[in-house]
Amino acid sequence: GIQVEQSPPDLILQEGANSTLRCNFSDSVNNLQWFHQNPWGQLINLFYIPSGTKQNGRLSATTVATERYSLLYISSSQTTDSGVYFCAVARGAGTALIFGKGTTLSVSS
Amino acid sequence: GAVVSQHPSWVICKSGTSVKIECRSLDFQATTMFWYRQFPKQSLMLMATSNEGSKATYEQGVEKDKFLINHASLTLSTLTVTSAHPEDSSFYICSAVGQGNEQFFGPGTRLTVL
Repeated sequence: GIQVEQSPPDLILQEGANSTLRCNFSDSVNNLQWFHQNPWGQLINLFYIPSGTKQNGRLSATTVATERYSLLYISSSQTTDSGVYFCAVARGAGTALIFGKGTTLSVSS
Repeated sequence: GAVVSQHPSWVICKSGTSVKIECRSLDFQATTMFWYRQFPKQSLMLMATSNEGSKATYEQGVEKDKFLINHASLTLSTLTVTSAHPEDSSFYICSAVGQGNEQFFGPGTRLTVL
């Protein structure tokens, strides 16, 4: 099956710093999503981005489908950005998402 | 829009009992829903695909007789953990495909089996 690799596994930042999270996937995909899992376990949708670039406030994402990777940028990080960030992909429309192992982000003040 | 709810949010049960978890799409119809489980400090692992009006498709290694899935309507899928044992304790999360192929997740159900 498709493999999803996220890096780095852990990231520690000071408040105000910028960061880049990477997601590599092993095959062509129809869907790629980024999530933030909050301390209560809820997955918050950040981006639906099978290709191209999107921005939402301090967050932006880019997926280069031909090279099978996606990047999530967090600028001016805040303590509330702490948590686990997951990248997930799906091969076909309406098929299940396969998750990477996540990047655990810790932002200190 | 695109809200998915789960009930209950947490449950504690005795070993040998059965527990039913409901997953609802509140503002859209979902012909397909997915069930995942997540152990502490780990990623989400797909358990099964739930299709409205037909049998669920289970991932390799997931016991279909233990994890019963019913998708009786376009807005409701249920997961029943039968004869639960402590090793079934986990965080169970459902998702549904919304408009435009984006998937949305419920808040999860934390199951503890004593």
